[in-house]
Amino acid sequence: DTAVSQTPKYLVTQMGNDKSIKCEQNLGHDTMYWYKQDSKKFLKIMFSYNNKELIINETVPNRFSPKSPDKAHLNLHINSLELGDSAVYFCASSPLTSSEQFFGPGTRLTVL
Amino acid sequence: QQQVKQSPQSLIVQKGGISIINCAYENTAFDYFPWYQQFPGKGPALLIAIRPDVSEKKEGRFTISFNKSAKQFSLHIMDSQPGDSATYFCAVNSGGYQKVTFGTGTKLQVIP
Repeated sequence: DTAVSQTPKYLVTQMGNDKSIKCEQNLGHDTMYWYKQDSKKFLKIMFSYNNKELIINETVPNRFSPKSPDKAHLNLHINSLELGDSAVYFCASSPLTSSEQFFGPGTRLTVL
Repeated sequence: QQQVKQSPQSLIVQKGGISIINCAYENTAFDYFPWYQQFPGKGPALLIAIRPDVSEKKEGRFTISFNKSAKQFSLHIMDSQPGDSATYFCAVNSGGYQKVTFGTGTKLQVIP
């Protein structure tokens, strides 16, 4: 019954590796997002997709590439991981008829 | 540039007291002002939200006060309880692309 789910919940990896985080929502929403929350709890939008189309792309390094195979899924692939990428990454979704965002449980990424 | 400024950064309130968190914004195009609540290890969740056509909205112990001319809004938690201990984020958005910009967060601790 989970509305917005993410896998994995924890991800520990070495610098330079490539990793992916998966997100799925079963709410029927058209818009999905990726947010990054740093160690100071600051929450910043990275990307937004509306029905598989990229509509928001904030100033994010090219090493980050979102992919939306369908409107229920939004995955985040990160190349050449750096120490500064360590953070909690949240997926979220929202319907077109509302501004409320529904967040997933987060993926804590630790780059060693 | 920071589009929404939130204060205080942290707040300690005794059980039964009133918790007040403030936010100020700059862009008059914003038309949706939500507050999100985040418990440790969880994603943020919508707590209460207001549109600029009203000056106050109350839901249970939670009230948003909105001052359009001052471009400020605040969250009041009446009869604060230890279960309210969490990080609170104000946010703003202008609806169009449903891009939400979050404040820097306030860590609230309610002590018995």
